[in-house]
Amino acid sequence: KQEVTQIPAALSVPEGENLVLNCSFTDSAIYNLQWFRQDPGKGLTSLLLIQSSQREQTSGRLNASLDKSSGRSTLYIAASQPGDSATYLCAARRSEKLVFGKGTKLTVNP
Amino acid sequence: EPEVTQTPSHQVTQMGQEVILRCVPISNHLYFYWYRQILGQKVEFLVSFYNNEISEKSEIFDDQFSVERPDGSNFTLKIRSTKLEDSAMYFCASSDRLAGGRSSYNEQFFGPGTRLTVL
Repeated sequence: KQEVTQIPAALSVPEGENLVLNCSFTDSAIYNLQWFRQDPGKGLTSLLLIQSSQREQTSGRLNASLDKSSGRSTLYIAASQPGDSATYLCAARRSEKLVFGKGTKLTVNP
Repeated sequence: EPEVTQTPSHQVTQMGQEVILRCVPISNHLYFYWYRQILGQKVEFLVSFYNNEISEKSEIFDDQFSVERPDGSNFTLKIRSTKLEDSAMYFCASSDRLAGGRSSYNEQFFGPGTRLTVL
């Protein structure tokens, strides 16, 4: 059974800092991994999708990497802004379903 | 930009009542999903739906739950007799199929959710 873990559970940084969020998964036989952003009381906004054959995906200030063999993915956020404050979720896909981590709550202080 | 929509945004019901949560997936998408998130917990998969039938379901999705695509645009989740523990945020998602590819490779797009409160 796939288990997804995200560390740290919460992170507080000053504006402008570069940061890395971590995601690990127990079953490396995944099709892809998707990163989401969730604002309080809101839905999930898809940020990046990395296929199992890929090592990296980039979108603006976001860069996600995937190392299937070690069961890890990272989300790198460059030059963080207060508007980046949210909970970031990763989800691994082995079948039709996404298996989610609990998320990292990011606070970027002005 | 196309998006998944869900109604209502908040539903309050009495224990034992039936509820229907509604979703309008992105128009050209073929695969539909329901997830739920109990307050403070992980987002959990409930069911996936393709070609008018369930393609996968979790152990949570028991006989009290059903899904339907009643027309070409709506996708619904019905809970027949709600329990207190059904209180959660319910998310609908949809995805397209890559040309020549499998659905499992595609990005899932989520709606804003329906907050269900069972009293």
